[in-house]
Amino acid sequence: EAQVTQNPRYLITVTGKKLTVTCSQNMNHEYMSWYRQDPGLGLRQIYYSMNVEVTDKGDVPEGYKVSRKEKRNFPLILESPSPNQTSLYFCASGQLAGGNEQFFGPGTRLTVL
Amino acid sequence: AQKITQTQPGMFVQEKEAVTLDCTYDTSDPSYGLFWYKQPSSGEMIFLIYQGSYDQQNATEGRYSLNFQKARKSANLVISASQLGDSAMYFCAMRAPNFGNEKLTFGTGTRLTIIP
Repeated sequence: EAQVTQNPRYLITVTGKKLTVTCSQNMNHEYMSWYRQDPGLGLRQIYYSMNVEVTDKGDVPEGYKVSRKEKRNFPLILESPSPNQTSLYFCASGQLAGGNEQFFGPGTRLTVL
Repeated sequence: AQKITQTQPGMFVQEKEAVTLDCTYDTSDPSYGLFWYKQPSSGEMIFLIYQGSYDQQNATEGRYSLNFQKARKSANLVISASQLGDSAMYFCAMRAPNFGNEKLTFGTGTRLTIIP
């Protein structure tokens, strides 16, 4: 089954404790991206990747890091989480160059205390 | 810059009726893609349907169809024979070329409630 998986689905943590949210896709997509969804602000892009070892900032990259060492995986790293990073996070993957599909993972609900 | 407008914050529809969710977009790019997603209360984003700007035919996927009116910059989602399970938030999104970034720009969404 074609899918994007994320782990964990729910996480409550404390300020400053480093965490990683994993994302994996099994569709051989070149493109992967992270979004956060906040009430009143909609979905905003954090980082994206066009292929292995090719990543770039989206609209709200501050406080986040990513890596793309393998085509299928695109983890999101919060080195020192703060309460303003409490949000619903989505990983997405799709084809490059105008592909007709872009699939989202199930979401990770993060609370930073 | 791209912009998506969804003017219906909420809609109530009787079960088995058809429903149209409105979406207008703004872009100066001739090549773009339009997506619709469903977000149930459980939170996941479910891809429903896609329309490319050069596609001649309106897209259809099962009970979902996209009423694409290019001159009016409108991409309305039509759900035929609505079901209780269709109750969810619906988001319209657009992708325009941006040097390899396939970023989707989302509208604010429409909350659809199906009444038995």
